[in-house]
Amino acid sequence: SSEVTQDPAVSVALGQTVKITCQADSLRTYYANWYQQKPGQAPVLVMFGGDSRPSGTPDRFSGSSSGDTAALTITGAQAEDEADYYCSFRDSSGDHHWVFGRGTKLTVL
Amino acid sequence: QEQLHESGPGLVKPSETLSLTCAVSGGSISSSGFYWGWIRQPPGKGLEFIGSVFYSGSTFYNPSLKSRVTISLNTSKNQFSLRLNSATAADTAVYYCARQPQGLCGNSACFEVFDYWGQGALVTVSS
Repeated sequence: SSEVTQDPAVSVALGQTVKITCQADSLRTYYANWYQQKPGQAPVLVMFGGDSRPSGTPDRFSGSSSGDTAALTITGAQAEDEADYYCSFRDSSGDHHWVFGRGTKLTVL
Repeated sequence: QEQLHESGPGLVKPSETLSLTCAVSGGSISSSGFYWGWIRQPPGKGLEFIGSVFYSGSTFYNPSLKSRVTISLNTSKNQFSLRLNSATAADTAVYYCARQPQGLCGNSACFEVFDYWGQGALVTVSS
């Protein structure tokens, strides 16, 4: 199975830019999807295929990847962006088995 | 717009079977090109993929849970279900069902994602 590294917590000042990263060997082969989860709510897809936004995701969210690391960047963070963010990708085995990172708690100051 | 809703007992005794159902509305679980999955989240912790069932009935499980898990479709009721045998306290979690299209198309290609989720059902394993 895949080992995943995500910073447990990140903070950003209102209106500033923040990058949330996810590192795993599988990301050399497979793209990351990103889910936003607010307290007491189900996760919501905010980025997929590395850099594609689903309809409804504000364009201040962008995605990128390089080597074994995927990133979700929020340019001009808003108070409503405060949430947990999880990366997810297909397991390195290639089977239909999905791995989630441990999540990054984003605080908007 | 697809809607998913989990239901089942909120309390399960240790060693018994945890069973949940996900009712789908706004679309058919028999539609080609979709997986239907289960993901869980222990209190205060992260997400864990449990497994998926393809519209054809093929199943795919997390290797760490494979010996205890069964996921199946009930096309007549447009729902799918999860059974987890020999439950322990470590299985206490919020259980989510989710739709996973075989390909949500983005900038350069199509990708498998969990695009619609249920609201989640808390299941506690305790005597």
